[in-house]
Amino acid sequence: DAGVTQSPTHLIKTRGQQVTLRCSPISGHKSVSWYQQVLGQGPQFIFQYYEKEERGRGNFPDRFSARQFPNYSSELNVNALLLGDSALYLCASSLTTGGSYEQYFGPGTRLTVT
Amino acid sequence: TQLLEQSPQFLSIQEGENLTVYCNSSSVFSSLQWYRQEPGEGPVLLVTVVTGGEVKKLKRLTFQFGDARKDSSLHITAAQPGDTGLYLCAGAARLTQGGSEKLVFGKGTKLTVNP
Repeated sequence: DAGVTQSPTHLIKTRGQQVTLRCSPISGHKSVSWYQQVLGQGPQFIFQYYEKEERGRGNFPDRFSARQFPNYSSELNVNALLLGDSALYLCASSLTTGGSYEQYFGPGTRLTVT
Repeated sequence: TQLLEQSPQFLSIQEGENLTVYCNSSSVFSSLQWYRQEPGEGPVLLVTVVTGGEVKKLKRLTFQFGDARKDSSLHITAAQPGDTGLYLCAGAARLTQGGSEKLVFGKGTKLTVNP
């Protein structure tokens, strides 16, 4: 089975622009989570979606938004980009959202804001 | 705010040596996961520990979850250059909506094993 896929792999944007990142979960997984990883840090939680509903949101501004589609794929949108948004954006999928569930990560999208 | 502190932050050792990485918190987690990440790639899940005091072994890697479910350790025996990477611990923390959990990550331990 294919793992979590993300697109694009790399992206360069300028300040003030908007960006959309895409994620396809592992087949059968209904939950998708998004994480931001700044260089030298561990991933930081942004959003979690399960069955198309938002289940949680991390400490990120309203410029960040996401949604999940009927096929369980997901998009992360970031508006009014700032230099500080430069990071590796990771998508993780899991069967469910609680208990000792395990999350499987995609390769990430490297976003550079200039 | 739940935080996970990993130590050491950097570790450079020679092939064949043993090492231990620590992951500590003042908070209780329902489970704890260890990942390894290569540069420019996503984290790859190594193990999940759920029960306090649990010990799991994966070849030369031994993972332990503290009795109080607040800390964990990763021990590597006879390290090899292929073990080089960023090791991340992550605790499952409850979100506000019914039963959902997010992962809280430590900053990671960057391990270099020299041949």
